[in-house]
This record gives sequence, structure tokens and C-alpha cells, in this order.
Amino acid sequence: SYELTQPPSMSVSPGQTASIACSGDKLGDKYVSWYQQKPGQSPVLVIYQDTKRPSVIPERFAGSRSGNTATLTISETQAMDEADYYCQAWDSSTAYVFGTGTQLTVL
Amino acid sequence: QVQLVQSGAEVKMPGSSVRVSCKASGGTFSTFAISWVRQAPGQGLEWMGGIIPLFGTSHLAQKFQGRVTITADESTSTAYMELNSLRFDDTAVYYCANYAVGDSDAFDIWGHGTMVTVSS
Repeated sequence: SYELTQPPSMSVSPGQTASIACSGDKLGDKYVSWYQQKPGQSPVLVIYQDTKRPSVIPERFAGSRSGNTATLTISETQAMDEADYYCQAWDSSTAYVFGTGTQLTVL
Repeated sequence: QVQLVQSGAEVKMPGSSVRVSCKASGGTFSTFAISWVRQAPGQGLEWMGGIIPLFGTSHLAQKFQGRVTITADESTSTAYMELNSLRFDDTAVYYCANYAVGDSDAFDIWGHGTMVTVSS
């Protein structure tokens, strides 16, 4: 089955930049989405089609891709950005797949 | 604005079944692609399966084939997920989400989640 791998956790200081990586086999051939999930809440779409941002999402959230690794970058990180982040892609053998998730701590 | 409203929390015995509903409002239900995603306590997101109400056919993750049934009722704009032969490790929050096919190609709208607890 298809798998997407993320670092389990990372920390960043307020105002600094956080970069969360997501890797998978032939990920370069697939669209990647990113979701933010705060404790006790439903996931929220923050990036779709690798680099696009829904209108309600702040500009400090950006997506990029290089080869088989997709990256979510949060610039000027704020305390409110502390959350779990998941990447997601579609694979012909497994259908919709979520990454293992990254817990972002802002401290 | 599209919203997905799910049914309330459930407590079930092992071996029983649970059915969770997801009612859509503010959009054209037949054009939706509703998926079910679950999240066990302290764990990540797991896609279970989905349905496009317009076509009525569901697609399940291999892990859930034979134990999960996903249906949709266009007359009430409601999707359902039924999970049978419940086990303790089915305890999780179950979300419905709309996958915007041909638009964002992502899960753009999520329900608030339904907690299902399997306990004896």
C-alpha cells in the first residue's frame, strides 16, 4: 500500500519559519494537499494542488514540491499555528492516503 | 456555504454495528464526493471509503472491505457509513468530508466528527 512519511514532530520559535516535509514514492506524479488540525477540531485544508492556498488561509502558509518530497512552509509562525499537520495524496492502488502527521509546537 | 452535519456520539458493544450520518446543506448533493475518514485517539487520519451520490457506487479502502457500507440518500442530502463487527480498536472519531473533484482536488469541507466508543 502507498505511504506518505512526515517527521513526527517539530518545534519553531514565534516569528520564525517552519518547514514540514512529506515524502512518498513517485509523489512527484501526484497532487499533494495539506491539512491543519488543532486539538478537538476537524482538519482544515490549508494547501491544495501542491501550492495553492484557499482564500481564507493566511499568506504565510505556502506549499512547494521538489522531486518526491512536498513541503509545507509556514512563515512568521504564530502561536495560533500550533497544530498537527497532515499531507495527503491520491494513489491508484490505495486511493486517498494521509501522511503520518507532524505535531508543530510553537515555543 | 456548504456544511456537513454529522450525527451524535455513539457507545457500542463489541460485535455490534454503528451507523453514522452526514447531512449536507448549502450545495448540490449529487455533485459531492463524500468520504469517511477516521481518527483513533492520539493517532493520525485514515481514509475508509467514499461515495459519489450522483453515481451511487461506493469505494472502500481494502482494510474495510466486507465490514463497512457507505450509502447516500439524495432525497435528504445525507450520506451514511455503517461499520459492522465492531472491535475495541474501532474506537475513534469518524469524519465525513467532501472531496472537491476537479476543483481543489482535496478534502475542502469536513464534518464536525462523530465519536464512536466501543466498550463492554
